[in-house]
Amino acid sequence: NAGVTQTPKFQVLKTGQSMTLQCAQDMNHNSMYWYRQDPGMGLRLIYYSASEGTTDKGEVPNGYNVSRLNKREFSLRLESAAPSQTSVYFCASMMTGNSPLHFGNGTRLTVT
Amino acid sequence: AQTVTQSQPEMSVQEAETVTLSCTYDTSESDYYLFWYKQPPSRQMILVIRQEAYKQQNATENRFSVNFQKAAKSFSLKISDSQLGDAAMYFCAYRAVPGTASKLTFGTGTRLQVTL
Repeated sequence: NAGVTQTPKFQVLKTGQSMTLQCAQDMNHNSMYWYRQDPGMGLRLIYYSASEGTTDKGEVPNGYNVSRLNKREFSLRLESAAPSQTSVYFCASMMTGNSPLHFGNGTRLTVT
Repeated sequence: AQTVTQSQPEMSVQEAETVTLSCTYDTSESDYYLFWYKQPPSRQMILVIRQEAYKQQNATENRFSVNFQKAAKSFSLKISDSQLGDAAMYFCAYRAVPGTASKLTFGTGTRLQVTL
C-alpha cells in the first residue's frame, strides 16, 4: 500500500523556470492538500481540493496553481519560480470525519 | 481565522523522563479536531494522537497522552518514558468539523531533543 506518493523528492530550479509537483494517493480519499514547510513557520496550506472537481485557495496561494486531475491525483504547478518559493512541499490526503491527514514524503525545492 | 500557537520552539528531555509540549489555539467553533504530528529527521509526517473536541476524556496512545482544556483552548502533549526515537519536530494542528472547512491549520512546531 503506497499511500501518498510525491514526485520528485528533490528539485533545483532557476528563477523564472516552471515545474509541476505530482501527487497521487491510492486510499480512495476525497480531499487532497498541498502544504509548504519553512523553518519557524510550520506548515502552511497552499491549495486544497475538498473533493474531485473542486479546488480552493489556502493561506499562501500566490505563485501557484493546482489541478485535481481525478480522485487520485492532485498536482501543484509553479509557473515562474521565485527564490521565495524555496521550501519543502508536502502533499496530503484525507477521507472525511475525524480521519487524520496522510502525508507524502515531501519535495525539497530550491530556487536559485 | 483559526490560529494554532506553539510557544516552545525547542525542548529537551532526558531519556526515560517525561516532557510536556504546549499548544494553544483560537477558534469560535464549538466542534473541532486536534492533532499532534511528529516529524523525525526523515521528514516524514507521522500522526501521534488525535482528540475530538466533543469528547471530555483525554486521548492516550501508549506513552503519549494529551491534556485537553477546551475552555482554555489548550492542547498539550505529554510524552512519558522518553526514548531517543522521540527526538523530532512536533506539530500541533487544528481542524474544524467537516461541513464547515476541512483544512488543517498547523502550529510552528516544537523541536524535541532527547539526551542520554
